[in-house]
Amino acid sequence: DAGVIQSPRHEVTEMGQEVTLRCKPISGHNSLFWYRQTMMRGLELLIYFNNNVPIDDSGMPEDRFSAKMPNASFSTLKIQPSEPRDSAVYFCASTRTRGETQYFGPGTRLLVL
Amino acid sequence: SQQGEEDPQALSIQEGENATMNCSYKTSINNLQWYRQNSGRGLVHLILIRSNEREKHSGRLRVTLDTSKKSSSLLITASRAADTASYFCATEITDKLIFGTGTRLQVFP
Repeated sequence: DAGVIQSPRHEVTEMGQEVTLRCKPISGHNSLFWYRQTMMRGLELLIYFNNNVPIDDSGMPEDRFSAKMPNASFSTLKIQPSEPRDSAVYFCASTRTRGETQYFGPGTRLLVL
Repeated sequence: SQQGEEDPQALSIQEGENATMNCSYKTSINNLQWYRQNSGRGLVHLILIRSNEREKHSGRLRVTLDTSKKSSSLLITASRAADTASYFCATEITDKLIFGTGTRLQVFP
């Protein structure tokens, strides 16, 4: 199994630009999670999906952030417009059973100038 | 606010020594999980202990859980330089994992 796949691995953009992060969960996994990691705030859960349906988006910072999961094998996290404080590593994780072991992707390192 | 707080924040030991990391949390949980993160990488699951379990082993790892004290510990025995990483506890509450602040472990050869 290829594991959770994220793209791009690195993204450098200018303030105000739209950023789209992509994630392909492990085949057969029903739940997908988006996290953000910074030195200041640690690892924060942004949103999670179960069977492609958003269950809890209480961690999404503000309206500039949106996430979709159009099918079981693909999810996107979009930031529009991006700001320097959005600079962080964004992780996607998936799990077969809710509440159990999560499998993390390698992350996308985002730098907003 | 963080559900889990790890202690210590950083730990430096020599190869062969044991490393103990502690995690405290605030609310009732279904299970508690430990993850490892190498620098610049994603998190890797190490072990899961359920709320009705007190101790669990996996290779050189030993995890304990005390629900009355709302605390857990991770023991790595006979540490190796390759164990150098950050270690996070995560508490499972209503299908979500809430991660702690992490312990940065440095093992010197």
